[in-house]
Amino acid sequence: SAVISQKPSRDICQRGTSLTIQCQVDSQVTMMFWYRQQPGQSLTLIATANQGSEATYESGFVIDKFPISRPNLTFSTLTVSNMSPEDSSIYLCSFSGQLNTEAFFGQGTRLTVV
Amino acid sequence: RKEVEQDPGPFNVPEGATVAFNCTYSNSASQSFFWYRQDCRKEPKLLMSVYSSGNEDGRFTAQLNRASQYISLLIRDSKLSDSATYLCVVNTNAGKSTFGDGTTLTVKP
Repeated sequence: SAVISQKPSRDICQRGTSLTIQCQVDSQVTMMFWYRQQPGQSLTLIATANQGSEATYESGFVIDKFPISRPNLTFSTLTVSNMSPEDSSIYLCSFSGQLNTEAFFGQGTRLTVV
Repeated sequence: RKEVEQDPGPFNVPEGATVAFNCTYSNSASQSFFWYRQDCRKEPKLLMSVYSSGNEDGRFTAQLNRASQYISLLIRDSKLSDSATYLCVVNTNAGKSTFGDGTTLTVKP
């Protein structure tokens, strides 16, 4: 299966700043997603990253706060903008080879906002 | 009501025990079903897909009941290395995955 790499693996950021997380897959994939996992909780889908068009956001998430790019079928970025301590979380990118097949995850980015 | 609900756990069992996890989902249009395993501070990893006919992989057996919208995972002969959080995952026809809150298993010597 394809290999997915995500960076940075962790960061500590000042409130009010922004952080961009990168996700690279070593082959072209159809579906890419971004998730958040807050401490002690399960994964919540932020958005579906669409190649060549605007991402599709889930309820409670907006483009101004979490802009996403997907310039091609192997790469995507998620930016966490104007961060506050409530944004401290693990952010995970994910891909599926085809619709309704299993998802594979990047290693996650552990973000702490101080 | 959550879209995917799991046993809250935690489950603490001795080595060699058999343990079963249950999961229910609310969207009858769900297309595919999975169990993932997540170790502490790691990303989730696929444990197995779940089919209506049931499927087995070594000590692990998964079952799906579409009529009851119910998924189960059975682990036989538990090992210390089985200690982890087990996530029930349901995909809709848009390919999006919805995760349960997870059930934590601790296997003790």
